[in-house]
Amino acid sequence: EPEVTQTPSHQVTQMGQEVILRCVPISNHLYFYWYRQILGQKVEFLVSFYNNEISEKSEIFDDQFSVERPDGSNFTLKIRSTKLEDSAMYFCASRLQGTNEKLFFGSGTQLSVL
Amino acid sequence: DQQVKQNSPSLSVQEGRISILNCDYTNSMFDYFLWYKKYPAEGPTFLISISSIKDKNEDGRFTVFLNKSAKHLSLHIVPSQPGDSAVYFCAVKSYGQNFVFGPGTRLSVLP
Repeated sequence: EPEVTQTPSHQVTQMGQEVILRCVPISNHLYFYWYRQILGQKVEFLVSFYNNEISEKSEIFDDQFSVERPDGSNFTLKIRSTKLEDSAMYFCASRLQGTNEKLFFGSGTQLSVL
Repeated sequence: DQQVKQNSPSLSVQEGRISILNCDYTNSMFDYFLWYKKYPAEGPTFLISISSIKDKNEDGRFTVFLNKSAKHLSLHIVPSQPGDSAVYFCAVKSYGQNFVFGPGTRLSVLP
């Protein structure tokens, strides 16, 4: 079965450093998402991406965050200057076109900001 | 501002018995409802969904019930198995909008 893949599985960084989290969505999917889950808290929406542009973003997704689809397969989340509170599990997800198409999630990248 | 609530953070059930997980939402515009299961260190995996035109959807041991007037969603697992132990998230969506997830309920199925 096709799956969403994320790399790396764990990322440790110093506060203030830039990190790039990588995702390869399912190949025929058209909508792409980043979510995050801080330990013990709920899964939070960050951003959705369609047709090479951001379609929606949450309040969390401020100027230090950016997303990019640099080629036909990768979808990246960049955090420019990491803060301690950015430590979380970051999930990439994708779905087909269609109103009620379910999200497929990757296994996540655990980001630890020291 | 919690649009989706799962008021039980945890639930323990004996193997073979029924597990009932509940979810409440506030916005009557939501029209598509899903349940996801999440194991530690893994991403959420889709379990079952229901659209607002139905009040029940069944898939094997999993049944989702929707009560639109009460804005309430539930997931029934019967019989429960130890491998069902995970965190369960309900997710809701309205047309043209993104999915909103609940905080999750940790289910423990005891052998």
